[in-house]
Amino acid sequence: EPEVTQTPSHQVTQMGQEVILRCVPISNHLYFYWYRQILGQKVEFLVSFYNNEISEKSEIFDDQFSVERPDGSNFTLKIRSTKLEDSAMYFCASSEDTEAFFGQGTRLTVV
Amino acid sequence: AQKVTQAQTEISVVEKEDVTLDCVYETRDTTYYLFWYKQPPSGELVFLIRRNSFDEQNEISGRYSWNFQKSTSSFNFTITASQVVDSAVYFCALIFGNEKLTFGTGTRLTIIP
Repeated sequence: EPEVTQTPSHQVTQMGQEVILRCVPISNHLYFYWYRQILGQKVEFLVSFYNNEISEKSEIFDDQFSVERPDGSNFTLKIRSTKLEDSAMYFCASSEDTEAFFGQGTRLTVV
Repeated sequence: AQKVTQAQTEISVVEKEDVTLDCVYETRDTTYYLFWYKQPPSGELVFLIRRNSFDEQNEISGRYSWNFQKSTSSFNFTITASQVVDSAVYFCALIFGNEKLTFGTGTRLTIIP
């Protein structure tokens, strides 16, 4: 069964460092998303991406964040200068229509 | 604006009991989709069901059933004969078109053996 894969599963980084979270969406999907879940809280939308551009972004997705689809398969989320409050589980998702399939998540810990 | 409310923060039931998780939503759109996801302790999000706004038929899948009531804007989820493996956080979510999913705050379900 096709699935969304995310790497790494865990990442620990020092405050101020740049991180790149990687995702491989399901191959025939056209819509890509990043969501974030701070520990114990709800899942929050960050950004959606379609046709090689951002289609929507939330207030959380400020200038420190960027997304890229560098080739035909990967979809990345970059955090330029991490802050302690960026510590969370980051989920990538992709969809063909409305049914979003989620990756297993990357747990980011900023120390 | 879209909003999903899961008023039950935590529920604990003894194994084999039935349990219902409530979900109430708000949207101005006439066409939308509702979802339930399960988040086990391992952290991943597991898709359970999608229901579109025009389909109010209740659905049953094994021990899981869903009751969609458009008149009360509710999409409740019942687990029959609960098992310890059902212990997880369950999220209800809403989407319009291909836009973002709006999640509820989740209900932590604990099944006591």
